[in-house]
This record gives sequence, C-alpha cells and structure tokens, in this order.
Amino acid sequence: AQSVAQPEDQVNVAEGNPLTVKCTYSVSGNPYLFWYVQYPNRGLQFLLKYITGDNLVKGSYGFEAEFNKSQTSFHLKKPSALVSDSALYFCAVRVNTGFQKLVFGTGTRLLVSP
Amino acid sequence: GAGVSQSPSNKVTEKGKDVELRCDPISGHTALYWYRQSLGQGLEFLIYFQGNSAPDKSGLPSDRFSAERTGGSVSTLTIQRTQQEDSAVYLCASSLYPGLARRETQYFGPGTRLLVL
Repeated sequence: AQSVAQPEDQVNVAEGNPLTVKCTYSVSGNPYLFWYVQYPNRGLQFLLKYITGDNLVKGSYGFEAEFNKSQTSFHLKKPSALVSDSALYFCAVRVNTGFQKLVFGTGTRLLVSP
Repeated sequence: GAGVSQSPSNKVTEKGKDVELRCDPISGHTALYWYRQSLGQGLEFLIYFQGNSAPDKSGLPSDRFSAERTGGSVSTLTIQRTQQEDSAVYLCASSLYPGLARRETQYFGPGTRLLVL
C-alpha cells in the first residue's frame, strides 16, 4: 500500500532558527508528494509538491522540501522560522488509482517560540 | 469566489438525525473530493467526483453516507441517522485537471465541523 509517515507528533523550534518537519514515503513507481499546512479551525492550505525534476522544491511562505529517493524522504524545511509558522503540517502522497486520491500522514504540529 | 467554500462551518445535531453538508468548488474545477478529519482516524478519503459522476466511493464508511454533485459544480454530502462516531471535520477539495494529470493539485475548503450529540 502507498503511504507516508510523519515520525514526529510535534516539533519545537525557536523563532529565527531553521526548521525541519520529516516525512518518509512508501510507494510503487514514481512518487507524487505534497505538503499541506492547517492553521487552527481552517482547512488545508497547499504548500508545495514534488512531481519530478529538481530534488529541492520551493513553495509558499518560504518553505521548501527536499526529495531524497535513496532515503525515501520528503522533509519540509525553512531556513528561518516565524512564530506565525506554528500550525499542523501534513505530508501526502498521491495514490495511483486512476485519479488523484491523496493519502495523508498523521500530521506534525510545529510550535515556534518567540 | 476565489477558493473552495463549505457550509455550514459548524453543525451540531442529535444522534439519529440526518445532516447535509455543502461544498462549492473553485469555479471551473472538474474534480471534487470529500475527506474526513477525525481524532482517531486522521485525514481519510471519502469520495471523488469527476463532473457529476463518482467513480470511486470506496472511502464512504457506511451506507448511511451518500454524496451527489449537480451541474458539475456544487456537491452535497449527506449523512443519515447520524452516530456519535460521525463527529469530525468534513473537508472538501477541488482540482482543475482530472485523472492523473501531473499538474494536478487539490485545493481545500475550510471544512464543516460536525458534532453529533
């Protein structure tokens, strides 16, 4: 089965420090990977996706993600965290069932302290 | 509108009642998806529409759940005889390109928070 795993329930980082939110995947064939962010009482907002090409994908709000095929990882990164980045982050993989069904990880809560 | 909209934003109902949740996708988006977000199950896929047809209903948790889409736009998710375990946030998403298009990205609405007492 195609899936993603987010090993950390919560990540704590101080404002101004770099942040990493981890995601590993298990897929057959080429992976189509996504990151979404959810702020309190809000829906999911698309951040970025990897389809093919450059392993470093740049997205919204200064976020980027690095695709690593040998480690089957797609970690989300940002060079300098902001308090406003505090939210719930979801990694997802597109399952090839004939349409774009997303399978999500369990989510990682990011807390950025002032 | 600019994004996916859902109504109501919050719904409180009594066990055994029926509820209808509405989704207005981004204008022109042909594909529409329903997901459910709950504490115990995380984010799970429910159903997918391409136009007005639903080629995949595999995620619907029981026959109490049904959905329809009319005019290739608005969709309604109906839950009959609600149970307490139906309490969750129901999220709708839409996308422009159908099928396995590489450019495909799903955009989500704010969700409907359902509480069954």
